[in-house]
Amino acid sequence: QVQLQESGPGLVKPSETLSLTCTVSGGSISSYYWSWIRQPPGKGLEWIGYIHYSGSTNYNPSLKSRVTISVDTSKNYFSLKLSSVTAADTAVYYCARGKYYDFWSGLINYYYYYMDVWGKGTTVTVSS
Amino acid sequence: QSVLTQPPSVSAAPGQRVTISCSASSSNIGNNFVSWYQQLPGTAPKLLIYDNNKRPSGIPDRFSGSKSGTSATLGITGLQTGDEADYYCGTWDSSLSAGEFGGGTKLTVL
Repeated sequence: QVQLQESGPGLVKPSETLSLTCTVSGGSISSYYWSWIRQPPGKGLEWIGYIHYSGSTNYNPSLKSRVTISVDTSKNYFSLKLSSVTAADTAVYYCARGKYYDFWSGLINYYYYYMDVWGKGTTVTVSS
Repeated sequence: QSVLTQPPSVSAAPGQRVTISCSASSSNIGNNFVSWYQQLPGTAPKLLIYDNNKRPSGIPDRFSGSKSGTSATLGITGLQTGDEADYYCGTWDSSLSAGEFGGGTKLTVL
């Protein structure tokens, strides 16, 4: 079965760039929408964004100016970069496999989106 | 602030049934399909329900989902102490082109 594993530095200095990688094993990264989600200490889940294996992306509008998600299909991993970090970016970062599709019914466009396989998460602390 | 509203906490006794609500603030979310995630203490979230009411393989039928209009509900029957967890609803915000999660509900099995 597909497994995801996050990796990267556990400590990042303020104003620097947070970089994480999610390695996909047990399946191909081709197809699906590969997502990043984070959870600040004691708080709820926050969606960061996704990348389709083709390279198309969608980001959380509140983070869009600082986020880049990329994919390497030849090596079966995808990555997150979050620039200009502050203490507010301290969180557990999860990668996940997502499924997304939409269809039209009459004049309304309906969307499906959910994440069916998650990594165990990695803690990133922003501190000098 | 989440655009999906969940009660912060619910509780019930073992063996009983509990429901957790998830209310969308706009039709941009309300037209779309809802998923539910269970997060046991200290672990990653796990998909419980997708497409409003479908269960992934391995999820017991004690867990069910429904949706009416802009509100969704997760139901859990035959509560067990192992069900104590945080539960999150999720969906797609078509106006923002972004995923969204509810604020989460902590379930306590008394």
